[in-house]
Amino acid sequence: EIVLTQSPATLSLSPGERATLSCRASQSVNNFLAWYQQKPGQAPRLLIYDTSNRATGIPARFSGSGSGTDFTLTISSLEPEDFAVYYCQQRSNWPALTFGGGTKVEIK
Amino acid sequence: QVQLAASGGGVVQPGRSLRLSCAASGFTFSSSAMHWVRQAPGKGLEWVTLMSYDGGNEHYADSVKGRFTISRDNSKNTLYLQMNSLRAEDTAVYYCARDYDPSGSGRLDYWGQGTLVTVSS
Repeated sequence: EIVLTQSPATLSLSPGERATLSCRASQSVNNFLAWYQQKPGQAPRLLIYDTSNRATGIPARFSGSGSGTDFTLTISSLEPEDFAVYYCQQRSNWPALTFGGGTKVEIK
Repeated sequence: QVQLAASGGGVVQPGRSLRLSCAASGFTFSSSAMHWVRQAPGKGLEWVTLMSYDGGNEHYADSVKGRFTISRDNSKNTLYLQMNSLRAEDTAVYYCARDYDPSGSGRLDYWGQGTLVTVSS
């Protein structure tokens, strides 16, 4: 099983600031790494797939990067609606999909 | 627009069974692989199972293999999850999600609102 470790667990920032979230895999996932956003009481929403591709309707302030085992989700300037929990997910070890433990982005 | 609505959750005793449903609309269900993903209270996401567009392929997480069965009725645009021999650790919100690839690829592009399953005596 590929284990995904996200850091930090919690990120306290103010609106307008830049957010940088990390996801590290226990082995290479090639570029098959996605990011999801989840708000309280809601289903996850796909933000980024295959490392750096924004999903349909996702604003340009969200970007993904990385390779091999180390990946980053960047939110260039936080909007009030961006405060949420973010999960990374790998599909390299198909069909055994795994998710990271999540990073909560909270208002400072 | 794509809509996925899971239902069938509730409180069930350990060892009993429950069947979840996921009604799909706004896309061609019969051309889409579908997943179930669960989330224990206050915890992260755990992939449970997948079925290809035509029902020809299915895969399960080790934690549910032999106890859970995924199925679909393309004439009714509905996905199912039959859960047998339920355990306390199966307590979670269960989400259905669409896969971008008809045969399944792990790219989950739309998710429905979940349904809560609580396993407790």
